[in-house]
Amino acid sequence: DSGVTQTPKHLITATGQRVTLRCSPRSGDLSVYWYQQSLDQGLQFLIQYYNGEERAKGNILERFSAQQFPDLHSELNLSSLELGDSALYFCASSPHGARRETQYFGPGTRLLVL
Amino acid sequence: QQQVKQSPQSLIVQKGGISIINCAYENTAFDYFPWYQQFPGKGPALLIAIRPDVSEKKEGRFTISFNKSAKQFSLHIMDSQPGDSATYFCAASMTGGGNKLTFGTGTQLKVEL
Repeated sequence: DSGVTQTPKHLITATGQRVTLRCSPRSGDLSVYWYQQSLDQGLQFLIQYYNGEERAKGNILERFSAQQFPDLHSELNLSSLELGDSALYFCASSPHGARRETQYFGPGTRLLVL
Repeated sequence: QQQVKQSPQSLIVQKGGISIINCAYENTAFDYFPWYQQFPGKGPALLIAIRPDVSEKKEGRFTISFNKSAKQFSLHIMDSQPGDSATYFCAASMTGGGNKLTFGTGTQLKVEL
């Protein structure tokens, strides 16, 4: 168990809908990362937050957005969902300081868009 | 543009054998190279990591070999066990890039009895 929690574990929805994925980082970790894992694209970085502020952005679609709250949990919002958005979404967190590059992954949310 | 290339895509090894997975990177700004292990339905778990100032790092049965001039690194799993059967991902990150991970495409390892 990495200490990173994600909810829900599974999510089934329809095209055009909006969903919110939630992540709680390991205790004390300030950075949260979101990744998407799909069969055709592999593991892709989406976005990073550090202590509430956006730090880095990857190939995240404009339909997707995220935020990190004062208690450091993060949410990834996916809107106008398309079939191709079906994937595993992982959250990772990393500590502050000397080991800040070490990322610990949560169990993921499996999203199925029908 | 794929910045981290991983091979082979799949690998079958006999129990007790050595599993070797290779990765090559393009961006010389990368300064951290972890390997992750992922079981079906689970999140990637950090296995071992190396920085480019070291040519080899060993932790138990797992060893990373790093060749900075060739921009290549590899994972060796000694005495492979059936419980090692999983998908392995190499990755790379750079301090100046927010430490976001760029992953290889993964290697499905199967260790047979």
